[in-house]
Amino acid sequence: DTGVSQNPRHKITKRGQNVTFRCDPISEHNRLYWYRQTLGQGPEFLTYFQNEAQLEKSRLLSDRFSAERPKGSFSTLEIQRTEQGDSAMYLCASSLDLDGELFFGEGSRLTVL
Amino acid sequence: AQSVTQLGSHVSVSEGALVLLRCNYSSSVPPYLFWYVQYPNQGLQLLLKYTSAATLVKGINGFEAEFKKSETSFHLTKPSAHMSDAAEYFCAVSSSGTYKYIFGTGTRLKVLA
Repeated sequence: DTGVSQNPRHKITKRGQNVTFRCDPISEHNRLYWYRQTLGQGPEFLTYFQNEAQLEKSRLLSDRFSAERPKGSFSTLEIQRTEQGDSAMYLCASSLDLDGELFFGEGSRLTVL
Repeated sequence: AQSVTQLGSHVSVSEGALVLLRCNYSSSVPPYLFWYVQYPNQGLQLLLKYTSAATLVKGINGFEAEFKKSETSFHLTKPSAHMSDAAEYFCAVSSSGTYKYIFGTGTRLKVLA
């Protein structure tokens, strides 16, 4: 399978715990995006990587959120000291061209109890 | 700033009937416009995109959309609905040279037998 892969698909955690999500983009794609989707809303932009460089971080991302893309391959999104408001679907996407199609993974659903 | 408004969070049509999903955009620069579809527990998949070429854009699964600058609209249509079209549809806007896609809140399409 050469699509965008995300894991874990589901994560249930208690408030205050740390969680980490991983995204493996399509191998030749140098652009990688994280979006967050809550119930009844469209995906909201969180952050963007071109190769290993994080070029933009949305104001939606508090200091508790950090994303990395070492070596320009897979990416991780870590949430520290989770809060109930962090419960959402975290979507990863990758693209080859700046104006091209975004290829989305199936998402990682986070539930914070 | 760019934004997208999708009118109607839920749309129901009978099988074989016309599908019309509405999207209006706001953009201070020439927009790129997209329609994505999301099936349950899956990632978003591109249906079609407008990038300043032909104003009538044909996509996959028999869908098409027409860019109307005067109305700032990019409505999605399909002549005859099929049960397999039941899903959530998202309109998105970006612009040339940018990487940030702004998504609408989505329209859930229900197809009645």
